[in-house]
Amino acid sequence: DGGITQSPKYLFRKEGQNVTLSCEQNLNHDAMYWYRQDPGQGLRLIYYSQIVNDFQKGDIAEGYSVSREKKESFPLTVTSAQKNPTAFYLCASSIKPGTERYSNQPQHFGDGTRLSIL
Amino acid sequence: GDSVTQMEGPVTLSEEACLTINCTYTATGYPSLFWYVQYPGEGLQLLLKATKADDKGSNKGFEATYRKETTSFHLEKGSVQVSDSAVYFCALEAGTALIFGKGTTLSVSS
Repeated sequence: DGGITQSPKYLFRKEGQNVTLSCEQNLNHDAMYWYRQDPGQGLRLIYYSQIVNDFQKGDIAEGYSVSREKKESFPLTVTSAQKNPTAFYLCASSIKPGTERYSNQPQHFGDGTRLSIL
Repeated sequence: GDSVTQMEGPVTLSEEACLTINCTYTATGYPSLFWYVQYPGEGLQLLLKATKADDKGSNKGFEATYRKETTSFHLEKGSVQVSDSAVYFCALEAGTALIFGKGTTLSVSS
């Protein structure tokens, strides 16, 4: 079955350390997204990518970095510059946004990675 | 800019009670509207959608109608079950991404 796989499910970061969250999809989707979820805050967009080798900052990109070297993969690095990284991180993918098909088949989500500070 | 406002929770109901979770939006034009559900420890799943005014989305006994005149997309269910306990997110399509409300936690007890 097609879907989105996020790993690991739980991750711990030490002070001053960079950590990378994995997101892989086999839905043949062009677009991929990273969201951060905090209690009572809903989902906030970190980065998104509509095509390989291209990505854009979302609303809260500071302290994060991404790459999109393959269509299937969109890893997120939480750098030491992110001072409050404890959150639940969700990856999503979709067909090309802004099309009629997108409205009928919006974003599909992975099961998330919970990041905590040691 | 575009935004979504949901009623704050938590909402606590007994099994078989009626549910309404309010959602209003601010947007340019007429975006598609969605409700997503998140069960504990999981990602979000699309629950239902409406792509134009007066459309009614429905799934698993849940319904929501796209009301252009009141810019609303309230989620309703006539009889909730314990298994409906989850966080519910209203969202609208905004170009390249979705804009989500803050989520409403529903707890249903038997």
